[in-house]
Amino acid sequence: KAGVTQTPRYLIKTRGQQVTLSCSPISGHRSVSWYQQTPGQGLQFLFEYFSETQRNKGNFPGRFSGRQFSNSRSEMNVSTLELGDSALYLCASSLALGTGGNTIYFGEGSWLTVV
Amino acid sequence: GESVGLHLPTLSVQEGDNSIINCAYSNSASDYFIWYKQESGKGPQFIIDIRSNMDKRQGQRVTVLLNKTVKHLSLQIAATQPGDSAVYFCAESRGSYIPTFGRGTSLIVHP
Repeated sequence: KAGVTQTPRYLIKTRGQQVTLSCSPISGHRSVSWYQQTPGQGLQFLFEYFSETQRNKGNFPGRFSGRQFSNSRSEMNVSTLELGDSALYLCASSLALGTGGNTIYFGEGSWLTVV
Repeated sequence: GESVGLHLPTLSVQEGDNSIINCAYSNSASDYFIWYKQESGKGPQFIIDIRSNMDKRQGQRVTVLLNKTVKHLSLQIAATQPGDSAVYFCAESRGSYIPTFGRGTSLIVHP
């Protein structure tokens, strides 16, 4: 059974550009959540999608957005990139919202560097 | 040990020793707990979980202990190996709420 797949794994962008990251959850998982991980801040919750609807949102500016497709695959977009957006972006999938008592599985992440 | 929301940087052990990583959680209503291992450059990897109706659960070389009275979680790794070197962090959750993750403890295993 394939795990959570994230693409691209590494990317470098320039300030002001925008970026789209993609995530394919584990087959059968309907919840996809996104996290930003930096050395100083740990795991910061961005948003969670379930059945193509955003169900929860963290404290990030509107430059961060996402969506989920009918096959549960998800994308997140960051517009007008800032240097501080440099981080590891992690996608996680679960059977249910939050954990709902089910394990959350993470992908390997997308390393974004903004220069 | 680490606390969800606080950071304990490093735990150093000798190869072959047992390691204990601690986690203090804040929400007494949390009913599901997970431990993750994150190696450098990789995403967090599920290790073991435990529900609040249990106080101990064992996996392969790992044991998680849950003390709900003092809201404390620990991960014990038996016969620690160099491949166990990583950052370990816990997560607490309740129902459909977003889980809360600890900052992590860096485990360094010396040969």
